[in-house]
Amino acid sequence: QQQVKQSPQSLIVQKGGISIINCAYENTAFDYFPWYQQFPGKGPALLIAIRPDVSEKKEGRFTISFNKSAKQFSLHIMDSQPGDSATYFCAARWNQGAQKLVFGQGTRLTINP
Amino acid sequence: DSGVTQTPKHLITATGQRVTLRCSPRSGDLSVYWYQQSLDQGLQFLIQYYNGEERAKGNILERFSAQQFPDLHSELNLSSLELGDSALYFCASSAYTVNEQFFGPGTRLTVL
Repeated sequence: QQQVKQSPQSLIVQKGGISIINCAYENTAFDYFPWYQQFPGKGPALLIAIRPDVSEKKEGRFTISFNKSAKQFSLHIMDSQPGDSATYFCAARWNQGAQKLVFGQGTRLTINP
Repeated sequence: DSGVTQTPKHLITATGQRVTLRCSPRSGDLSVYWYQQSLDQGLQFLIQYYNGEERAKGNILERFSAQQFPDLHSELNLSSLELGDSALYFCASSAYTVNEQFFGPGTRLTVL
């Protein structure tokens, strides 16, 4: 099954809070998991990425947690700021035959000041 | 700015027509990917080219085709357009592997 399920669809967090977005997959043929941030009218921008042999990766306020056995990964945004308000997409690289990125449905994040 | 350019930014056309979307990848990137983004389908991979050759195909309709030219720019051709083809079309590029893809600003296609 070449699907990545993302939740929630939308999320509202107060400034300074922690934003958490979750993704799940079923097939072990995925071998690379990036997160993209998209502002209105712009293309998705690569935010942070992780490989399945690592359980956590942190870059500034952004952290990916990866649970290989559960086939789940999540994005944590610490000290969320109004400028983080955007749509976030998780993705997974399909590594059999045609390599491609499969995207989750996206989460619209709003950070209230 | 990702370094990937796409033209035009907006395109309005009628059903049954044909359009061409253009993409210039980042300098040095050999791979180009096309995606369709619609409200109900999210980001859907359409097709990948690597150094002029088709490398992978996703959910691309037979009415759609693409090519990558010797200067590495790519074009996505959409024909016999239907209302449901209205969407944002993104091009992305990467140096070699599919890991780090850099997206262009997109072309918004409206079919009336």
